[in-house]
Amino acid sequence: DVKVTQSSRYLVKRTGEKVFLECVQDMDHENMFWYRQDPGLGLRLIYFSYDVKMKEKGDIPEGYSVSREKKERFSLILESASTNQTSMYLCASSLLAGGPYEQYFGPGTRLTVT
Amino acid sequence: DAKTTQPNSMESNEEEPVHLPCNHSTISGTDYIHWYRQLPSQGPEYVIHGLTSNVNNRMASLAIAEDRKSSTLILHRATLRDAAVYYCILRGAGGTSYGKLTFGQGTILTVHP
Repeated sequence: DVKVTQSSRYLVKRTGEKVFLECVQDMDHENMFWYRQDPGLGLRLIYFSYDVKMKEKGDIPEGYSVSREKKERFSLILESASTNQTSMYLCASSLLAGGPYEQYFGPGTRLTVT
Repeated sequence: DAKTTQPNSMESNEEEPVHLPCNHSTISGTDYIHWYRQLPSQGPEYVIHGLTSNVNNRMASLAIAEDRKSSTLILHRATLRDAAVYYCILRGAGGTSYGKLTFGQGTILTVHP
């Protein structure tokens, strides 16, 4: 089975702190994604990576950056955390993008910024 | 991606089959039908997907109408662990929008013991 792991299930940070969320997948997938999920807003894509060191902005990249130095690892960085970044953060991976390919999600990190 | 319509909620009893419907009347010829589910406080989980033919896997079956304008996810024997929000989505073959997933409201499935 595909396994996607995230570094923390719950995280509490203070406003202005730099926050690192890590995601690791073990299936040699090309594509990795970072989403956030908020009640009433559904799933929103923050960043996407289709290869090592390659990244594309999603729908809501402001306030975030990403790093993919190794194929299996995709990190999300909150440069200066703010209270409006309190959310559930979900990492996903897929072999390739597009219709025939399913995405596998990690368990999520619930981040609270105070 | 084209729009899907699902009932807001459904209920079932444990060990009974569950049929979760999804309408997608504007589906294009190259759209794949995907189902995901999300248990409370967990990440979404891939369930199944198909293009034209019915599909079976260890989790569920997917029945696709001949005109592809609707589909049904079938859980053959519901368990309490199947209580979740089920999302039906369409995904184009070409990898548009970087392959991102867009979830609608989904169907909240309640399973009674």
